Amino acid sequence: EAGVAQSPRYKIIEKRQSVAFWCNPISGHATLYWYQQILGQGPKLLIQFQNNGVVDDSQLPKDRFSAERLKGVDSTLKIQPAKLEDSAVYLCASSPIDRVGSYEQYFGPGTRLTVT
Amino acid sequence: RKEVEQDPGPFNVPEGATVAFNCTYSNSASQSFFWYRQDCRKEPKLLMSVYSSGNEDGRFTAQLNRASQYISLLIRDSKLSDSATYLCVVNMRGANNLFFGTGTRLTVIP
Repeated sequence: EAGVAQSPRYKIIEKRQSVAFWCNPISGHATLYWYQQILGQGPKLLIQFQNNGVVDDSQLPKDRFSAERLKGVDSTLKIQPAKLEDSAVYLCASSPIDRVGSYEQYFGPGTRLTVT
Repeated sequence: RKEVEQDPGPFNVPEGATVAFNCTYSNSASQSFFWYRQDCRKEPKLLMSVYSSGNEDGRFTAQLNRASQYISLLIRDSKLSDSATYLCVVNMRGANNLFFGTGTRLTVIP
């Protein structure tokens, strides 16, 4: 079974520039998550989709971050404009919701963003 | 107060040692508990779920104390390959999102 795919793996941009990340979840997984992991910290949820609807975006800085999952499969996360403090690894994860009580999330390899 | 708190370490232990990590969570409505493992520059992967009765998987034992809102992970006979960051993870009742601790870094030394 193919895992969660993300691209690019690395990105270096200057502050105030824009950047976009792409995620393709495991086939059949209805729920998709974007996390931000700053060095030395655990992942922090930015946004959660179920199919193409947003379930939770309470921690998404909406003045600069946006995300979409138009057809309920792939997703993109955009930052515009980027700030120095956005330097982090952006992890995409997916999970099946048909297994009651099962909350295992499968993570992609992440995109390492450096803002200079 | 953070949802999940862990001692960040690092823990440096010799091969064959037994090491224990602890984690506390703040929300008594928390329902599901997990330990994830994250290797350097890699993504987190589920190590084991934590059940109320405690559970064991080979050299790994996880325990939950709901009254104290405390989770533990015990690793026996440490191997070099156990070197990683161990993330304590909690899920709230009725929600499908996870709260991660900062992780505890373990290095097993030859």
